[in-house]
Amino acid sequence: AQKITQTQPGMFVQEKEAVTLDCTYDTSDPSYGLFWYKQPSSGEMIFLIYQGSYDQQNATEGRYSLNFQKARKSANLVISASQLGDSAMYFCAMREGNSGGSNYKLTFGKGTLLTVNP
Amino acid sequence: EPEVTQTPSHQVTQMGQEVILRCVPISNHLYFYWYRQILGQKVEFLVSFYNNEISEKSEIFDDQFSVERPDGSNFTLKIRSTKLEDSAMYFCASSGPARGEKLFFGSGTQLSVL
Repeated sequence: AQKITQTQPGMFVQEKEAVTLDCTYDTSDPSYGLFWYKQPSSGEMIFLIYQGSYDQQNATEGRYSLNFQKARKSANLVISASQLGDSAMYFCAMREGNSGGSNYKLTFGKGTLLTVNP
Repeated sequence: EPEVTQTPSHQVTQMGQEVILRCVPISNHLYFYWYRQILGQKVEFLVSFYNNEISEKSEIFDDQFSVERPDGSNFTLKIRSTKLEDSAMYFCASSGPARGEKLFFGSGTQLSVL
């Protein structure tokens, strides 16, 4: 079974609108972390946001927020007020086990290509 | 904000040749990683490195691969005898206790094996 599932190969959004990128995960470990990365066409991987399994509140970082629904095992990324520069591939990733130290063996999803239209 | 830097950005090599991909992790980070991304596919974990030894490696990281921290700043990935299927983007990453729950990636080295 896939550990990280991103069901949307591509998404389109109008500039200034909000968009939600879906991510579901599968783990039996009670301790885990969920990450979102942005990969523009230039290729680099840019960290966006992190949610720990024991975090009580949904993570937010500027225009990015993570809609964490633990019972559903979903960790959707919400981008508010989309900008043209948000056009990129977006990857959801998971770390299983305790945080910190060397445990950044991340499992990535296949990604969602977001296109922001003017 | 300090960055993970990788060189070269592009590397073209002939099948069977050795290549060394270089990375300078963020200063005072202690944990180092290599990931790869074959064109159009997922990003895959290769290896993690801490305290001058491999912490964990994936099944992809076979005897053709090795990592080294030759000095206090560089972290390298060596592929001893490249194969066509080694063509991919290789990402170096680092993490450290002072920077919270973040894994910082470099901008990648695109390796093309001909």
